[in-house]
Amino acid sequence: DAGITQSPRHKVTETGTPVTLRCHQTENHRYMYWYRQDPGHGLRLIHYSYGVKDTDKGEVSDGYSVSRSKTEDFLLTLESATSSQTSVYFCAISEDGLSGANVLTFGAGSRLTVL
Amino acid sequence: SQKIEQNSEALNIQEGKTATLTCNYTNYSPAYLQWYRQDPGRGPVFLLLIRENEKEKRKERLKVTFDTTLKQSLFHITASQPADSATYLCALVRSSASKIIFGSGTRLSIRP
Repeated sequence: DAGITQSPRHKVTETGTPVTLRCHQTENHRYMYWYRQDPGHGLRLIHYSYGVKDTDKGEVSDGYSVSRSKTEDFLLTLESATSSQTSVYFCAISEDGLSGANVLTFGAGSRLTVL
Repeated sequence: SQKIEQNSEALNIQEGKTATLTCNYTNYSPAYLQWYRQDPGRGPVFLLLIRENEKEKRKERLKVTFDTTLKQSLFHITASQPADSATYLCALVRSSASKIIFGSGTRLSIRP
């Protein structure tokens, strides 16, 4: 996981509370992604960013917002957490999101439990 | 809607045999297909990618094939070892597209 760190790694919260997960990279990669991983669903894209202040929705973006004010940081916010958002969240980075190769490097994941 | 299916949720084979994992897709025209390995409690790690105009790609004991007519990729691990036990994910990428779509993965177990 060199070059990409996620925080917190584990969090337990209550329904209705706001939660922010942070992804920090030291690779100066332009593209950053947030995925969630659930049993039976695999990895699903929530949001991604293709530059500072440039973001776009993925396939499961409802209930989530993101911000990227610096190249190195990509924040995922759950404004009002729900139990359905209990999951493992992975951040990933990519040097070139427009080339077909677009190989992702993943962080170690953040396990979120919403009670 | 776009759909990616990996043939089975779990695969259990004997050490030394060849493991073959399948990735099928519908309603999608990927330019590239990637395979990742994921160990428990960790993020996926990139293994191989294959382009739509390539039939086969190899890396050490790994081999990937890509058949755009069948809309299928096969991932082979030859001379499998217990250390190959992990979940393997396929991912599809369109050309000039930032979004990468993943399958749900196949959990491979290699028994000694």
